[in-house]
Amino acid sequence: SAVISQKPSRDICQRGTSLTIQCQVDSQVTMMFWYRQQPGQSLTLIATANQGSEATYESGFVIDKFPISRPNLTFSTLTVSNMSPEDSSIYLCSVWTSGAHEQYFGPGTRLTVT
Amino acid sequence: AQSVTQLGSHVSVSEGALVLLRCNYSSSVPPYLFWYVQYPNQGLQLLLKYTTGATLVKGINGFEAEFKKSETSFHLTKPSAHMSDAAEYYCAVRAPGGDSWGKLQFGAGTQVVVTP
Repeated sequence: SAVISQKPSRDICQRGTSLTIQCQVDSQVTMMFWYRQQPGQSLTLIATANQGSEATYESGFVIDKFPISRPNLTFSTLTVSNMSPEDSSIYLCSVWTSGAHEQYFGPGTRLTVT
Repeated sequence: AQSVTQLGSHVSVSEGALVLLRCNYSSSVPPYLFWYVQYPNQGLQLLLKYTTGATLVKGINGFEAEFKKSETSFHLTKPSAHMSDAAEYYCAVRAPGGDSWGKLQFGAGTQVVVTP
């Protein structure tokens, strides 16, 4: 298994500002992912973050809005840029463990944009 | 491409009764299937998974699910509901191989309410 921590756990931000969310894993993993869960909705994949390469974004998500860093095999950040109220969501970090074929999720960062 | 359909956005069960949550998937190749549970204000916890092999899989907290290829289903069951089972449950699918590792497609979720 993998234990994932995220910072901050929640934040309230003003429109037009940016927030960087940190994700730390207790073991080295190749594949890390960022998901979004809008209020009352299911989860949607934002992007895949592999160490040593550019993040790969899913349809509807762009790097200018959600820049991602992956400096090593245990850490990643997601920035939500130029925020609007529509960005109010829970953002979850996730890792895939290839040996066990399992995917684990962090506790999430609850973002409210006012 | 793959997709997941969870039948019923809300399910109410009595404590001690059978819990049955339905999940159907579409996938062009044999999928990997997962059930997750999300308690209020918490992240997702893996309940169980199907990758290959035995089609009846057992998970944590007394839950189990059966992969039925002919029906493209992966329904989740628990023989006797407990009050602590009240949560949101998500079925998810990913296509094996290629660049699909870790890319899960989630169903809309089913909220389970357990009544005394």
